[in-house]
Amino acid sequence: KAGVTQTPRYLIKTRGQQVTLSCSPISGHRSVSWYQQTPGQGLQFLFEYFSETQRNKGNFPGRFSGRQFSNSRSEMNVSTLELGDSALYLCASSSQGETYEQYFGPGTRLTVT
Amino acid sequence: GENVEQHPSTLSVQEGDSAVIKCTYSDSASNYFPWYKQELGKGPQLIIDIRSNVGEKKDQRIAVTLNKTAKHFSLHITETQPEDSAVYFCAAGDSGGYQKVTFGTGTKLQVIP
Repeated sequence: KAGVTQTPRYLIKTRGQQVTLSCSPISGHRSVSWYQQTPGQGLQFLFEYFSETQRNKGNFPGRFSGRQFSNSRSEMNVSTLELGDSALYLCASSSQGETYEQYFGPGTRLTVT
Repeated sequence: GENVEQHPSTLSVQEGDSAVIKCTYSDSASNYFPWYKQELGKGPQLIIDIRSNVGEKKDQRIAVTLNKTAKHFSLHITETQPEDSAVYFCAAGDSGGYQKVTFGTGTKLQVIP
């Protein structure tokens, strides 16, 4: 079974621009979560989607948004990029219920200059 | 919300020795406790998890223990090898309803050959 895939793997953007990151979950997984990882803040939860609906949201400004499509693929968007948005953005997909397990993709390394 | 504390932040052991990483959590409703290994340039990899109806779980050289009364859980790696060198994250969450896990701050494990 293929793992979680994320595109692109690396991205360089300029302050003020916007960016869209893509995630394809493990086949059969309907839940997709996004995390921001930085050396200073660790792994911080952004939001989680299940069946095209946002179920959970972390403490990030409204510049961070996401969506999920009917095939469970997900995108996250960051508008008006700031230098502090430079980070590794990780997508994770999970199964549900008593067999719940969460698997991460390789991440997208975003650098804002 | 859930708060997960992880100790130590760095750990150096000689090859062949054991390594222990400890985590505490705050939310008594948490019933799912995964551990992830993250190597440089990669996303976190699920290495073992435990659910609240189990006190201990083993998988070859890796074991996890859970004390729900004290709200702490630990990762034990025996006969460490250089390839065990990585950052390890614990997490705690509720595997029912709206699944969301909160991560610890990570432990950088160095296994010295």
